[in-house]
Order: sequence, then C-alpha cells, then structure tokens
Amino acid sequence: TQLLEQSPQFLSIQEGENLTVYCNSSSVFSSLQWYRQEPGEGPVLLVTVVTGGEVKKLKRLTFQFGDARKDSSLHITAAQPGDTGLYLCARWVAGNMLTFGGGTRLMVKP
Amino acid sequence: GAVVSQHPSRVICKSGTSVKIECRSLDFQATTMFWYRQFPKQSLMLMATSNEGSKATYEQGVEKDKFLINHASLTLSTLTVTSAHPEDSSFYICSARARSSGNTIYFGEGSWLTVV
Repeated sequence: TQLLEQSPQFLSIQEGENLTVYCNSSSVFSSLQWYRQEPGEGPVLLVTVVTGGEVKKLKRLTFQFGDARKDSSLHITAAQPGDTGLYLCARWVAGNMLTFGGGTRLMVKP
Repeated sequence: GAVVSQHPSRVICKSGTSVKIECRSLDFQATTMFWYRQFPKQSLMLMATSNEGSKATYEQGVEKDKFLINHASLTLSTLTVTSAHPEDSSFYICSARARSSGNTIYFGEGSWLTVV
C-alpha cells in the first residue's frame, strides 16, 4: 500500500501544453519532496515543500503544498520534450525512511 | 553537490550465482544508506536502510538472507544478491544521507541487474 498516491499514472501530451500532477495522502506530513527520474538514472530532487499552502517555482514548474499538508501538486507550464520523465513525490516516514509515491510517467511529444 | 556512485552500472549474471553492487559516497560521510529496487515502469520501493557499523533494517517482504547489505564504512555500502533468479532482475538504486544533511539524500546512478 502506497502511503502516497500519485495521479495520473501516465500522461502523454503535446509540446506547449500545460499539465498538473497530484500527490495525495490520507495522513499529514511535515514535508514533501518532488523528484524527477530519467530512464536508467537515479532520481533528482526538484524541490522540498514544508509549509502548508506553500508555493515554490522552478522555472516552468510550480509546486504547491496543500493547506492541510496532505496533498501536493506539480504544475508544468508549456511542457517541452525535455520534461519527459518519471515524476515522483516522496516523504520521510518516522524520520528515517524516504518512501515514494507510485510516480507519474510524463511523455511530451514534439 | 554531493556525489554517490554505484558500481557496476549494468551486470548480467547466471541464475543461481551471487552478484555484489557497491554504493560509494565520494565526497561526504554517509551515516545512513538506503537501497531501493525499481521494476520497469514502476516507482522505487525501499528494500532496506543501513547505518554504518550496524545491521541493516529490512522492509517487510524483503528477504534479508537473499539481499545481504553491508555498511562497513562511512563511504561504502554493498548489496549482494545471493542465488539470483530471473525475477530478481531489476534496477537497484542506492542513496546516502550525511550526518549534517538533515532530510537531504543523494542518489546513485542505479545498477541494472539482469539474471539469465
């Protein structure tokens, strides 16, 4: 059972479109991280959100942490083929284990 | 930034043999290392957590006698898949946390294991 539920599981869009990926949990978490992983490589940390309602921007990526700290979203504006990859949300459990959501596989077609 | 290196990046072994994967923190001391397994088109599943000098803590469903983890020094952890079978074929990823890095961990590049 995933502590973190991500949706959608797979997304295929055209270059230039916008998209949003969601990460939900039934429990409150103190912080949440978003990673991006390309095939055959380890995940790369994009951002950590800590405060309820927090919004962070990384170029065309906007990350939001829900007010109740049970959910988070990642919005990509004007997606590009280089954004293709597996997007993972993750949280620390018991302060000592980083567990991942099921992931959203994004494909951006030129 | 901090670098974590895995070796080998790809390995093919025969069914029934054992294979060792190394995870090294190159420029920091890793007090805790984590091993994940990732099947194609799936997310990362935590296998075990190891602290330097102590036995690894395995997640439920992971056979500790099959997946031997050793964290003998602050810069090296190894995962040995014993008596490998084709169903063990997967992408194995390690990550490391430094004493001073809080909740920031650094991932290795991953190791592809194919058991034939």
